Amino acid sequence: GQNIDQPTEMTATEGAIVQINCTYQTSGFNGLFWYQQHAGEAPTFLSYNVLDGLEEKGRFSSFLSRSKGYSYLLLKELQMKDSASYLCAVMWSGGYQKVTFGIGTKLQVIP
Amino acid sequence: SAVISQKPSRDICQRGTSLTIQCQVDSQVTMMFWYRQQPGQSLTLIATANQGSEATYESGFVIDKFPISRPNLTFSTLTVSNMSPEDSSIYLCSVEGSAAYEQYFGPGTRLTVT
Repeated sequence: GQNIDQPTEMTATEGAIVQINCTYQTSGFNGLFWYQQHAGEAPTFLSYNVLDGLEEKGRFSSFLSRSKGYSYLLLKELQMKDSASYLCAVMWSGGYQKVTFGIGTKLQVIP
Repeated sequence: SAVISQKPSRDICQRGTSLTIQCQVDSQVTMMFWYRQQPGQSLTLIATANQGSEATYESGFVIDKFPISRPNLTFSTLTVSNMSPEDSSIYLCSVEGSAAYEQYFGPGTRLTVT
């Protein structure tokens, strides 16, 4: 089966940098997503990593190590609006492409 | 990116009744997905709906409880049948984007069963 672990809650200060870790165990791994979900809203796509390494997109960067089953999402120059849940999800092949989500990390940004 | 709308946005229903949730996409898509997000939980895939074929249900979900229709390439419905308080959840429709890894979510339907 698929198993995804990420911290349930984190707190960080406005303007700082925060790293949200995700470890996974899955067969047929294809890639890893990060989504942002504000309270009461639908998830929005942040990143998708297929290859090992770091991908930067503005204030957000995502890292993947396939051999270690590990990823992290790095948020720089934190803003109050970054307070949200961050969902790690893996795409895997189970007859067809499937996506399994982690429970999400609730990030609170404080002044 | 696809624009997805869902109806209703929220509802409060009595146990034993059924609710049909509609999902409309602004472009034709092959695959549509239905997810459930229970309070404090992650998203769980209920089923995958392809136009012209029966929906494929994930483990723990059955057609009698969650019948799905997919009459065309822009529309799908999910019915939550014979509801109980345990069905209280957010139900989300999702579609694939132009790239295989892209996935877009609708705004969700917040269901409360009393």
